[in-house]
Amino acid sequence: DAMVIQNPRYQVTQFGKPVTLSCSQTLNHNVMYWYQQKSSQAPKLLFHYYDKDFNNEADTPDNFQSRRPNTSFCFLDIRSPGLGDAAMYLCATSRGFKQETQYFGPGTRLLVL
Amino acid sequence: KQEVTQIPAALSVPEGENLVLNCSFTDSAIYNLQWFRQDPGKGLTSLLLIQSSQREQTSGRLNASLDKSSGRSTLYIAASQPGDSATYLCAVSTSGSRLTFGEGTQLTVNP
Repeated sequence: DAMVIQNPRYQVTQFGKPVTLSCSQTLNHNVMYWYQQKSSQAPKLLFHYYDKDFNNEADTPDNFQSRRPNTSFCFLDIRSPGLGDAAMYLCATSRGFKQETQYFGPGTRLLVL
Repeated sequence: KQEVTQIPAALSVPEGENLVLNCSFTDSAIYNLQWFRQDPGKGLTSLLLIQSSQREQTSGRLNASLDKSSGRSTLYIAASQPGDSATYLCAVSTSGSRLTFGEGTQLTVNP
């Protein structure tokens, strides 16, 4: 049974048109993460939530926002996608910090036309 | 700033061969190190997690070692199979929850 679910798996959007990616989890984990992975590159952490506490990485562009309305769901909003935002977006969860395994979803591949 | 390097970037081996993937990191103050597998166009699957106080972890044909003082980890795959073909990513956990990833080793196991 899927534990971290991402929808949609593929998303096509137009340059400048807002887009929202969705992540849900059945693990009841406290922490949810969003990573961006461009082709043949390492995943890069954008931000994470510990419960309702939001933590943004220093180099995450303002164009990227996130919402976590409840424990199970977390959304990634890209306000004005540019061509350089085309990537795989990975959601992950963990029970806590430090010594906990992170569990990843299957990812959403975003294409910007 | 933590940096993670994986060598080699790509590896092609015949089926049945034992192989070693390498990972090095610059800051030894880590909480743990994880090895992940990523199939093309897919998400990450956690293979092994080694806490900073541990030396190695084993799961089936996989064995991962950690030498925190020298900033190195290895992933040993025994008796490789074509189904092992994937990209293998190493990641270290440092401050808080942050995982820093290497760029991965793309493994091809030929029948």
